[in-house]
Formats: sequence, structure tokens, C-alpha cells
Amino acid sequence: EAAVTQSPRNKVAVTGGKVTLSCNQTNNHNNMYWYRQDTGHGLRLIHYSYGAGSTEKGDIPDGYKASRPSQENFSLILELATPSQTSVYFCASGGRGRDTEVFFGKGTRLTVV
Amino acid sequence: QQQVRQSPQSLTVWEGGTTVLTCSYEDSTFNYFPWYQQFPGEGPALLISILSVSDKKEDGRFTTFFNKREKKLSLHIIDSQPGDSATYFCAARGTNAYKVIFGKGTHLHVLP
Repeated sequence: EAAVTQSPRNKVAVTGGKVTLSCNQTNNHNNMYWYRQDTGHGLRLIHYSYGAGSTEKGDIPDGYKASRPSQENFSLILELATPSQTSVYFCASGGRGRDTEVFFGKGTRLTVV
Repeated sequence: QQQVRQSPQSLTVWEGGTTVLTCSYEDSTFNYFPWYQQFPGEGPALLISILSVSDKKEDGRFTTFFNKREKKLSLHIIDSQPGDSATYFCAARGTNAYKVIFGKGTHLHVLP
């Protein structure tokens, strides 16, 4: 069974603080993704990566950075957290093929106060 | 921006009934359409998917239909069960195989 593990599962951060969300996958997938999920917006792509050392902007990258130091790990970084970044964040991984499945982690609930 | 439109936003059906969810898209380069199911507190998980070369795919009680001309797809759940209560997302992937674009989701409630 493909595994994507996110940490922490819950996080409360202060406005202006730095937040790092971590993701680890044991699927040996090349592609990794960060999405945020908000009521009324569904899943929106923030950043993605197609291999170690690569990061690409998704549809809503402003205010976020990403880091892919290895095949297994993909981090999402909020340098200056704002209340508008309060959301549930999902990491996912997938293979290179067009029709390969994308596997999601259980999510991180981030609250910025 | 590429979009995948999904309807309805919320749906309630009785146990044993048929559920129909629909999606439409704009980008004609989309060629792979997965449906994901999400339970509360969990991440989305692949339910069923279809390639643009097909018009129908069936998996047990779940069937997805694809209409290339109209740029529409649908998910049919027959004999709906309370355990099917979840949020369902349609999604699309195209020439940029790295990007999977999701609809806003449908909250399905199946009443016993």
C-alpha cells in the first residue's frame, strides 16, 4: 500500500511566524504535490515537484515556498504566515505516467492566529 | 486558468437509490479523468478513473461516463449505501502530466 505521511497533523501558528509542513512518501514516486482544501474551493494546487531538487509553482503559489531535498521528502514553507493561510493542507505523490494514481496523505490542519 | 466544474455541491439520496454527479471542463487537452472519494479526517483516495479514449468505465456499483464532444463526465453510484456518504471530487490531467486539477467537490449524504 502506497504511503504518504504528513507532519504535523495539527498546527497552530502565530501571524508572521514561519511554518514548515513536512511530507514523506515511501512509494518511490517521482511526483509530489501540495494542495490546500477549503470549503467552497475544493483542492487547489500550491506547488509540485517532479523529482529531487525540483519545485514548480501550482495555481496558488503566493505566500508559499516548497523544498524537495530528496525523492522521499517534500516540504511546504510559509515564511510569514497569515490568517488567510488557515486551511487543511494535503501532500500527495504520484508516478510519471499520465494515468497513474495520485496518493494523498491524511492532511495537516493549520490554524494561523 | 484551467477549470473543472463540478455539480451539485451537495446531494442527499436514500439508501438503495442512484446517485449521479457531474463535471465539465474547458481544456480540450485533458485526457485523464479520475474521481476521488474523501471521508472526514482522511485524504482523498482514488475511486475510479477514465481515459479520454473511452466513454464508460465500470467498477462494481460505480460507473463513470465520458463525453468528449460535450466535455462532460459523470459518476453514477447504483444501490447507494450509507457508507458511500463522503465528498467526491472529479479531476483532470492533460498534457502537463504533473498537474492534476480538481473540481470543488460534491458532499454526498446517503440516508438509511
